[in-house]
Amino acid sequence: GAVVSQHPSRVICKSGTSVKIECRSLDFQATTMFWYRQFPKQSLMLMATSNEGSKATYEQGVEKDKFLINHASLTLSTLTVTSAHPEDSSFYICSAEAGDYLHNEQFFGPGTRLTVL
Amino acid sequence: AQKITQTQPGMFVQEKEAVTLDCTYDTSDQSYGLFWYKQPSSGEMIFLIYQGSYDEQNATEGRYSLNFQKARKSANLVISASQLGDSAMYFCAMRDRSNDYKLSFGAGTTVTVRA
Repeated sequence: GAVVSQHPSRVICKSGTSVKIECRSLDFQATTMFWYRQFPKQSLMLMATSNEGSKATYEQGVEKDKFLINHASLTLSTLTVTSAHPEDSSFYICSAEAGDYLHNEQFFGPGTRLTVL
Repeated sequence: AQKITQTQPGMFVQEKEAVTLDCTYDTSDQSYGLFWYKQPSSGEMIFLIYQGSYDEQNATEGRYSLNFQKARKSANLVISASQLGDSAMYFCAMRDRSNDYKLSFGAGTTVTVRA
């Protein structure tokens, strides 16, 4: 299947700093990228959907100013956690897809584990 | 309302035996897609199998098969001949028009394979 990378895989930062996570589709052009958040032993929660060149669509309850998403190209989307606090510590996973919606397989990145001290 | 329900938080299975993971879904759309993903402790999400709502045959992929019962709105995953490497969390997910085709995930089932 297609490959999606995420960088960094793990980050530890101090409270109040901003952290940027990159998501890249390596061998295909992604029409849409998704950002999820996952707490330990829980399911994936969709945070936002991003399409190249347009503003991200955030799910209800997700702060747009807190979680900035930029989808600069068909192969790159970034999530910036601004002024991170310990409650933002979580596992962040991106996914990417191309083509029609219903039968699409979303290709997931390996995830980024964020720890805010 | 919960769109995907996985009622088994955790399961143990003996190596080489089969295991069935339950999944029921809720949608009023006629056209939808059902997916199963595996998430080992490393965190990566691994796609296992897909079933379209109009597919008449149950999907199979190697040791994975999907027991699709449309009238009951269930899409159980069967893993045959379990291996130690099958120990992971398993998520059932669905895409339908009413959710703008975004993936809705169930709570997941943790499978532990015993030697």
